[in-house]
Amino acid sequence: KNQVEQSPQSLIILEGKNCTLQCNYTVSPFSNLRWYKQDTGRGPVSLTIMTFSENTKSNGRYTATLDADTKQSSLHITASQLSDSASYICVARRGYSSASKIIFGSGTRLSIRP
Amino acid sequence: SAVISQKPSRDICQRGTSLTIQCQVDSQVTMMFWYRQQPGQSLTLIATANQGSEATYESGFVIDKFPISRPNLTFSTLTVSNMSPEDSSIYLCSVETTTSGGFSYNEQFFGPGTRLTVL
Repeated sequence: KNQVEQSPQSLIILEGKNCTLQCNYTVSPFSNLRWYKQDTGRGPVSLTIMTFSENTKSNGRYTATLDADTKQSSLHITASQLSDSASYICVARRGYSSASKIIFGSGTRLSIRP
Repeated sequence: SAVISQKPSRDICQRGTSLTIQCQVDSQVTMMFWYRQQPGQSLTLIATANQGSEATYESGFVIDKFPISRPNLTFSTLTVSNMSPEDSSIYLCSVETTTSGGFSYNEQFFGPGTRLTVL
């Protein structure tokens, strides 16, 4: 079954601390994986996109890793800020053609406390 | 990249009425998608709208309830018909583009969403 599972469901950390969000996927054939940030009441915004040949990709304080062998990805946030409070959604793409499908994880809701 | 705008950004509607949501993209795109996101849930694909053909609906969604128009490569509308409180959701428009370079891949961009509340 093609699915994407994220953990934890929710997370609360203090401002300035680091955190890591996890994503496990069982999608085949696997094309790419993306992490999105979604602020409350807004549409998702892409943070990173990784293909099967990429292990690490950074976007400012966000660093995503991908292990295509274990089918796991993580999103590490460094020196968290209050503005990082949002839902983070892991999305895996199955297939390569225009008929390919994207599979959404249920998201991790991150709250940063001052 | 693609910049997407949606109208309205939010609305409160009465049961039994219909609402049409507009989606405008700043570039021509072949594939446009409409999603629904119910409170606390992830995104669920309603339908795929390609210009020049009828929209393709996912399981659980029908054209009579969610008619879609796609008159050109930069615009689409989704209508939520005969609304009930269960239709209260965020509705998101999305487009897909293909990047170029050493390794091309499909990238998906999302609009800001339309927050619909049905009383």
